[in-house]
Amino acid sequence: AQSVTQPDIHITVSEGASLELRCNYSYGATPYLFWYVQSPGQGLQLLLKYFSGDTLVQGIKGFEAEFKRSQSSFNLRKPSVHWSDAAEYFCAVGPAGGTSYGKLTFGQGTILTVHP
Amino acid sequence: DTEVTQTPKHLVMGMTNKKSLKCEQHMGHRAMYWYKQKAKKPPELMFVYSYEKLSINESVPSRFSPECPNSSLLNLHLHALQPEDSALYLCASSQLQLPYNEQFFGPGTRLTVL
Repeated sequence: AQSVTQPDIHITVSEGASLELRCNYSYGATPYLFWYVQSPGQGLQLLLKYFSGDTLVQGIKGFEAEFKRSQSSFNLRKPSVHWSDAAEYFCAVGPAGGTSYGKLTFGQGTILTVHP
Repeated sequence: DTEVTQTPKHLVMGMTNKKSLKCEQHMGHRAMYWYKQKAKKPPELMFVYSYEKLSINESVPSRFSPECPNSSLLNLHLHALQPEDSALYLCASSQLQLPYNEQFFGPGTRLTVL
């Protein structure tokens, strides 16, 4: 069965500092990988996605993520965090085929706090 | 239009009430989803509709009744809910060709059951 692990429940950074949020997945084949962000009481917004090709993907709001097959990881990075980045971040994995459409598996989420 | 809308934003209901949540998208997506999200937890899939037909029911209690009247609309009818059903209910949509699991989420309905 597929699974996603986000090892850090809560991360605190200072505004302007760099950020890396970790995501490890377990899946039998090459999955589709996503990072979503959720502000309090809001829906999920897609930050970026990886399907195939270049393993370094760029997303919205200055975020990027790198797919490393050998480490089963898809870590999210941002070089300089802004106070508005404070939110909860979810890594998700989905099947790249078959009839299991819709079956996104989410990690438990990482809450990001940004200090001024 | 790349937006999924949900109404109402907030809903408070008693355990004997009947209410409905509404979701709408105009992206031409033929798959629509209902998720339930408790505080500080990831979304949990409840239902999936594809081509307006229910294709996945994740063993959701019958007090939740989904309906997809057309390709743009998705409803969730609520009846005889329990306080533990209080949560954020999220609607999402996606295309039905790969990558179909790129889902677009609405802002959610915050439901409180008294």
